[in-house]
Amino acid sequence: QLVESGGGLVKPGGSLRLSCAGSGVTFRDFYMSWIRQAPGQGLEWLAYISSSGHVTHYADSVRGRFTVSRDNAKNSLYLEMNSLRADDTAVYYCARDPQTGDGYTFDLWGQGTLVAVSS
Amino acid sequence: DIQMTQSPSSVSASIGDRVTITCRASQHIHNWLAWYQQKPGKAPKLLIYAAAYLQSGVPSRFSGSGSGTEYTLTISNLQPEDLATYYCQQADTFPLTFGGGTKVEIK
Repeated sequence: QLVESGGGLVKPGGSLRLSCAGSGVTFRDFYMSWIRQAPGQGLEWLAYISSSGHVTHYADSVRGRFTVSRDNAKNSLYLEMNSLRADDTAVYYCARDPQTGDGYTFDLWGQGTLVAVSS
Repeated sequence: DIQMTQSPSSVSASIGDRVTITCRASQHIHNWLAWYQQKPGKAPKLLIYAAAYLQSGVPSRFSGSGSGTEYTLTISNLQPEDLATYYCQQADTFPLTFGGGTKVEIK
């Protein structure tokens, strides 16, 4: 399973670091992504990282502000979020790409962690 | 970026009905299309990958079809536990993008 942590209330312009811990899965073998969902809204993919951590991709909405990283030795994925804005308020999910060769899909999700950006 | 347009945004159907949800991509995505089910307060769950392949453990009343830019999720014999919002996702090109969602309600 995947378990996110690190969410909370932060002021505009502030920073936060989310973590995603994997248990019972061979974490290091899989590509991972962060996906968020604003209150009452749909899903927005944010960032992707390869199994080695050497390749990353970002959505335009977070590029330059958010950084995805991973520590395979600790079975952990991270999302460093800077210059946070009110429209970053959302539930943040980490998700695993099963790498079946059938495109970039997500077969395992965490329960989500809520980030609220407000003064 | 590839835009994903889902329709309808909501549908109300009776138990046992067939429900069809459509997803249109702004460009060809080579059948790299996934469908997810999200129940209230829960994380999304993968139902269909590569447009037509049923994820392990998903009931066979769910099916996917389509090609090119047009894809369909069909729920045959709608059950009470199918109350949820359904999302399509193009799995072809970064940035990965989702459709706006279809809320399925039970009459």
